Amino acid sequence: QKEVEQNSGPLSVPEGAIASLNCTYSDRVSQSFFWYRQYSGKSPELIMSIYSNGDKEDGRFTAQLNKASQYVSLLIRDSQPSDSATYLCAVKELGGYQKVTFGTGTKLQVIP
Amino acid sequence: GAVVSQHPSRVICKSGTSVKIECRSLDFQATTMFWYRQFPKKSLMLMATSNEGSKATYEQGVEKDKFLINHASLTLSTLTVTSAHPEDSSFYICSANSAVYNEQFFGPGTRLTVL
Repeated sequence: QKEVEQNSGPLSVPEGAIASLNCTYSDRVSQSFFWYRQYSGKSPELIMSIYSNGDKEDGRFTAQLNKASQYVSLLIRDSQPSDSATYLCAVKELGGYQKVTFGTGTKLQVIP
Repeated sequence: GAVVSQHPSRVICKSGTSVKIECRSLDFQATTMFWYRQFPKKSLMLMATSNEGSKATYEQGVEKDKFLINHASLTLSTLTVTSAHPEDSSFYICSANSAVYNEQFFGPGTRLTVL
């Protein structure tokens, strides 16, 4: 059973601070990792994808991947109230029908 | 990124009726489409995976005779909730990917309310 674990939160950070969201996964052969943002009542929106160890930066977002530790994280710099949402970590299996396993999400609250 | 649409965005129906939800990839060919269900304040639950021209693969516990999935073309998949009951009320979301995109792109979702 493939598992993707996230702390459900809520994670509360003040506006302007760095929000750090963490995710661990159980399947060592997983190769593709994604972060999605989901606002209440809306569908998930892709923020970042990362495939190799290290950091990947896109604007205020940085994804970090450590395959040896089976750990992926998302940093949000200069957090804004509009960043308040649930962040879903997703891991893609090799081959097959390209199914993605989602974590249960971490709710982020950015306090003005 | 790629665009996925869903129709309708919201539907209210009487118990016992069937409801069809359409999922379309607008600017790419989706070799695989996924159907999810999400209850309030809960995580996404994958219902089934469909590939164009073949039968859908259903997740454990999902009744294939109740949730009919058809993936007739590379841009369209449909989910039909047959004989809907109030417990089927949920947020249904489709997603798609392709040989070009490694990521899954989600449609906006369909909120189903069964009275």
